[in-house]
Amino acid sequence: KQEVTQIPAALSVPEGENLVLNCSFTDSAIYNLQWFRQDPGKGLTSLLLIQSSQREQTSGRLNASLDKSSGRSTLYIAASQPGDSATYLCAVGGFQKLVFGTGTRLLVSP
Amino acid sequence: ETGVTQTPRHLVMGMTNKKSLKCEQHLGHNAMYWYKQSAKKPLELMFVYNFKEQTENNSVPSRFSPECPNSSHLFLHLHTLQPEDSALYLCASSQAVNMDTQYFGPGTRLTVL
Repeated sequence: KQEVTQIPAALSVPEGENLVLNCSFTDSAIYNLQWFRQDPGKGLTSLLLIQSSQREQTSGRLNASLDKSSGRSTLYIAASQPGDSATYLCAVGGFQKLVFGTGTRLLVSP
Repeated sequence: ETGVTQTPRHLVMGMTNKKSLKCEQHLGHNAMYWYKQSAKKPLELMFVYNFKEQTENNSVPSRFSPECPNSSHLFLHLHTLQPEDSALYLCASSQAVNMDTQYFGPGTRLTVL
């Protein structure tokens, strides 16, 4: 059974810092891995999707990497802004389902 | 209306009530999903529909009954729920199962008294 862990559970940084969020998974037989953002009381917004054959994806200030063999992914956020404050969720795609981690709650202070 | 919409956004019901949650996607996708998000727990997949056919039931109790009349609409019928069923229920859609980005609705916050 796939298990997804995200570390740290919470992170507080000053504006402008570069930061890394971590995601690990137990079963390397995956289809893809997605990073989502969730604002309080809201649905999820997809940030990046990495297919199992890819090593990384970039969108603006965000860069996500995938190392299937070690069961790890990282989300790198450059030059963080207060608007980046949210919970970031990692989800591993298997056959017909996504398995989610519990998320990292990020607070970026002005 | 664009993306994935869900109604109602908030619902309070007693344990003997019957209610339904509605999800509609305007993206032309073929797959739709129901997820449950409880406090302090990861999102849990409940059901998957592909081209209107249910392809996954993640051991969900029968008091939750999904319905997918067409590829754009998904319902979750609720009957004799328990207080522990209180959660945020999220609907999502994707072009196809497995390989594509899933797009989520804003969710329905359900409280069972």
